[in-house]
Amino acid sequence: TQLLEQSPQFLSIQEGENLTVYCNSSSVFSSLQWYRQEPGEGPVLLVTVVTGGEVKKLKRLTFQFGDARKDSSLHITAAQPGDTGLYLCAGVANDYKLSFGAGTTVTVRA
Amino acid sequence: KAGVTQTPRYLIKTRGQQVTLSCSPISGHRSVSWYQQTPGQGLQFLFEYFSETQRNKGNFPGRFSGRQFSNSRSEMNVSTLELGDSALYLCASSLTRLGNTGELFFGEGSRLTVL
Repeated sequence: TQLLEQSPQFLSIQEGENLTVYCNSSSVFSSLQWYRQEPGEGPVLLVTVVTGGEVKKLKRLTFQFGDARKDSSLHITAAQPGDTGLYLCAGVANDYKLSFGAGTTVTVRA
Repeated sequence: KAGVTQTPRYLIKTRGQQVTLSCSPISGHRSVSWYQQTPGQGLQFLFEYFSETQRNKGNFPGRFSGRQFSNSRSEMNVSTLELGDSALYLCASSLTRLGNTGELFFGEGSRLTVL
């Protein structure tokens, strides 16, 4: 059982469309991170959210941390082929173990 | 600055053998954590080392072990390999311990195939 549930598992959209990936848990996290992983490479950190209700923007990417610090979302506006990859959310609970969601594979078609 | 380096990148072993994987963190980083990534289970935390001490361990059997040296380089060992150990093993380095919201820098991984 995953501590962090990500949805959807797969997402295929056309260039220019918007998409949202969700990361949910019944546990409270002190912080959540989002990573993107491309084939043959390790995950690369996109953002860390710490405060409940926090919203962070990174160009066309918008990240939200739920008020209760149990969930987060990643929204991409006007997706581009370069956004293709595996998106992972990760959080550290009180036991200092880093838990990852199963990931969302995003494919943006040109 | 140089990133996280993992060696070897690819290796093939047979059941019952043992394997050692190496991770060189970014200079100055004292935390090294290890993860197993498989299509079915995703990324699973193995353990974290900080200042040569194992600080935390995931839910893996004792066949999985590791250590960290004084220069922060880390190795992980898997003994008595099983087919299910086939996976991408990733290490990540950080300035601070996990849980301090520090950025994790991942290596490219070591892909292990067990036949």
